[in-house]
Amino acid sequence: QLQLQESGPGLVKPSETLSLSCTVSGGSVNNTNYYWGWIRQPPGRGLEWIGSIYYRGSTYYNPSLKSRVTISVNTAKNQFSLKLSSVTAADTAVYYCARQNIEGATTWFDPWGQGTLVTVSS
Amino acid sequence: SYVLTQPPSVSVAPGQTARITCGGNNIGNKGVHWYQQRPGQAPVLVVYDDSDRPSGIPERFSGSNSGNTAALTISRVEAGDEADYYCQVWDTFGDHVVFGGGTKLTVL
Repeated sequence: QLQLQESGPGLVKPSETLSLSCTVSGGSVNNTNYYWGWIRQPPGRGLEWIGSIYYRGSTYYNPSLKSRVTISVNTAKNQFSLKLSSVTAADTAVYYCARQNIEGATTWFDPWGQGTLVTVSS
Repeated sequence: SYVLTQPPSVSVAPGQTARITCGGNNIGNKGVHWYQQRPGQAPVLVVYDDSDRPSGIPERFSGSNSGNTAALTISRVEAGDEADYYCQVWDTFGDHVVFGGGTKLTVL
């Protein structure tokens, strides 16, 4: 059964870069059928897609975050990672990673990691 | 950019049927997916591609999509169905993922 686990610092200072990794177990990021995505959820609010990556490295990002986001993949470690630069308090959220299924002109996320809370504060 | 509109809340008595809507311009032309998020937990896919259910999801969960409205229907609602529900599509024009604002389902 595929499982995903987020990891990284729970506290980041304003203006610095948030860095998270997602480790995939029970499957491979090399699987040609899937993308891998990051989604976040500020406390008490809804879900916001951040961006996604294919194992070959092709990416696409939420236009509202694109200038600050970098997603990369490390096939040797079976991981993919998120970097979000110049963070502010508005970036405080639970960050989820998920496998992204693609079928024709649609795509969905299943399964999801358990999520990790990142707080931006000095 | 494409916008998905959900009612903030829906209430239903146990054993009754809950219908959660997701509105969007010509959403019937898109594949719609639904997630359940219980308090303190990660989202779980309950319906994908308008009306398909992942393995392990009860048949009580069903989906529909036509015109400008998609809907998630939960039959014979149980206390354990109390959660936030989110719809999601792929905006092919903008080439990005869009989530609805979420609906809190309360079981009375």
